[in-house]
Amino acid sequence: GAVVSQHPSRVICKSGTSVKIECRSLDFQATTMFWYRQFPKQSLMLMATSNEGSKATYEQGVEKDKFLINHASLTLSTLTVTSAHPEDSSFYICSASQTGLVVPDTQYFGPGTRLTVL
Amino acid sequence: LAKTTQPISMDSYEGQEVNITCSHNNIATNDYITWYQQFPSQGPRFIIQGYKTKVTNEVASLFIPADRKSSTLSLPRVSLSDTAVYYCLVGDIYTGFQKLVFGTGTRLLVSP
Repeated sequence: GAVVSQHPSRVICKSGTSVKIECRSLDFQATTMFWYRQFPKQSLMLMATSNEGSKATYEQGVEKDKFLINHASLTLSTLTVTSAHPEDSSFYICSASQTGLVVPDTQYFGPGTRLTVL
Repeated sequence: LAKTTQPISMDSYEGQEVNITCSHNNIATNDYITWYQQFPSQGPRFIIQGYKTKVTNEVASLFIPADRKSSTLSLPRVSLSDTAVYYCLVGDIYTGFQKLVFGTGTRLLVSP
């Protein structure tokens, strides 16, 4: 149980284009979803937290207009990188939790999406 | 948020038991301890979670002393495929480990 999927697993795009990444909880309802970014040889950095049906909360230094997050249902969250630039190239990972539904709550992570901006 | 401290790296050989200790001196009453494993270019994978004493599942054991200021992940008889980064995290059991703060993790290298 507790499977989280991401699509696509890898994407290459030209500078200036927008890219959408989907995160789905396959066998549980995710009241909260999280988006992380990880650069090579570094740890995961939390970008934003989203609760179903409400606006995402962004971490300091993360541009909300550049990284658009939509958590439209209890099983789906999307991250759109708008006007992507080479410095946005990174490994993006989502996670999902059942906050408020189970105790102890746990975050389960997706497999990640490798974004390369040319 | 309780901060965690782990060794940056560890080396082991196939078939050995590996123990990775994590320090979390500021752990709060409602905090649970969770360990994740991450392979290159993959998302972290949940390994084990506990509150106190000992927890065991099919892949690992987690030892937590009475004061809960540290925890030890024990991997029995490691294989080459256990080479990965292991993260120890602490979070509130009621709020989904909101705002998980990942430390450097422990990079485990298992050699033949």
